[in-house]
Amino acid sequence: GQQLNQSPQSMFIQEGEDVSMNCTSSSIFNTWLWYKQEPGEGPVLLIALYKAGELTSNGRLTAQFGITRKDSFLNISASIPSDVGIYFCAGYPNSGGSNYKLTFGKGTLLTVNP
Amino acid sequence: KAGVTQTPRYLIKTRGQQVTLSCSPISGHRSVSWYQQTPGQGLQFLFEYFSETQRNKGNFPGRFSGRQFSNSRSEMNVSTLELGDSALYLCASSSSGVAYEQYFGPGTRLTVT
Repeated sequence: GQQLNQSPQSMFIQEGEDVSMNCTSSSIFNTWLWYKQEPGEGPVLLIALYKAGELTSNGRLTAQFGITRKDSFLNISASIPSDVGIYFCAGYPNSGGSNYKLTFGKGTLLTVNP
Repeated sequence: KAGVTQTPRYLIKTRGQQVTLSCSPISGHRSVSWYQQTPGQGLQFLFEYFSETQRNKGNFPGRFSGRQFSNSRSEMNVSTLELGDSALYLCASSSSGVAYEQYFGPGTRLTVT
């Protein structure tokens, strides 16, 4: 089945720093989604991307759909303590049929030191 | 608009028992998907229902089943529970016929002893 490689696995940063994380696949995806999950809660949708090259912002968050359609990036600017959580990339593969299901990366654990 | 709700939030069961989890999607959403989340495997797709029909299924044994009602509410059932079934079970709903943006509920934490 499809797999998404998300990196880094974890990040420990100082408040105010910028953060970058990415997700790659060996096959083409036609939709990328980025989620944030906090302890005891379900993932919350942050940004959705639908076109190759698309760059979308949501406040201090910016995500891009890679030109090759095999990767996506999420940047967080000027991090604050409430950015702490696990960030997941997810995507729908270009192939249909039984493979057409939302596939998740393993997540990036972000810790922000005040 | 109320979000996705899941009941119960926490559940403790014994090996061999069965369990039923419930999910109420966002009003107007017709697609409901279920996921299992564990530290080792991450988020794994179980199945998706749309208009009371299972549209897609993940790679889980037949002990995992689900259904959707005419009001779009969904239930999933796990029979003959195993220790490895301990996980956070997440439900997500989507408004479109092709489920792109999925909105998750808080999950049901199932512990099998």
